[in-house]
Amino acid sequence: DVKVTQSSRYLVKRTGEKVFLECVQDMDHENMFWYRQDPGLGLRLIYFSYDVKMKEKGDIPEGYSVSREKKERFSLILESASTNQTSMYLCASSSPGLAVYEQYFGPGTRLTVT
Amino acid sequence: AQSVTQLDSQVPVFEEAPVELRCNYSSSVSVYLFWYVQYPNQGLQLLLKYLSGSTLVKGINGFEAEFNKSQTSFHLRKPSVHISDTAEYFCAAGGRPQGAQKLVFGQGTRLTINP
Repeated sequence: DVKVTQSSRYLVKRTGEKVFLECVQDMDHENMFWYRQDPGLGLRLIYFSYDVKMKEKGDIPEGYSVSREKKERFSLILESASTNQTSMYLCASSSPGLAVYEQYFGPGTRLTVT
Repeated sequence: AQSVTQLDSQVPVFEEAPVELRCNYSSSVSVYLFWYVQYPNQGLQLLLKYLSGSTLVKGINGFEAEFNKSQTSFHLRKPSVHISDTAEYFCAAGGRPQGAQKLVFGQGTRLTINP
């Protein structure tokens, strides 16, 4: 089974801090995604990476950056955390081919910025 | 751009009753459709998917969905629900024009099963 792990389930940070959310997948998937989940808004794509060192902005990239130095690891960075970034963050991965759209998700990180 | 609309934000039903969760998508081109489930404090798990072929798709845990191209719908159904089906359900679409490898998600429907 594909396993996607996220470094923390719960995280509390202060306004202005730099925050790193880490995601690791163990199935050699080319594609990795970071989403933000908020009640009533569903999942919104922050950033997408289709290969090492390759990234593409999603629908809501403002205030975020990403890093993908190795194929299995995709990091989401909040350069200066703000209270409106309090949310659930979900990482996902997928592989090209017919199953390219099928994404596998990690358990999520609930981030609170105070 | 592709969009996905889940018509109900919350659906309460009694145990062993049937349920339908509604999903509409906007696209006149090829589209792939998915239903994901999120149990409390967990990530999303794939329930079922439509890529091509038969319009009736069966998934895990007794769920099924029907792809209706003329109505641009992909409603999820289960004939008899259990307490363990309490979760949030997300409909998602991929394919042109969204982009080769991305999904667009609906707002989610919270299914609550009452004993």
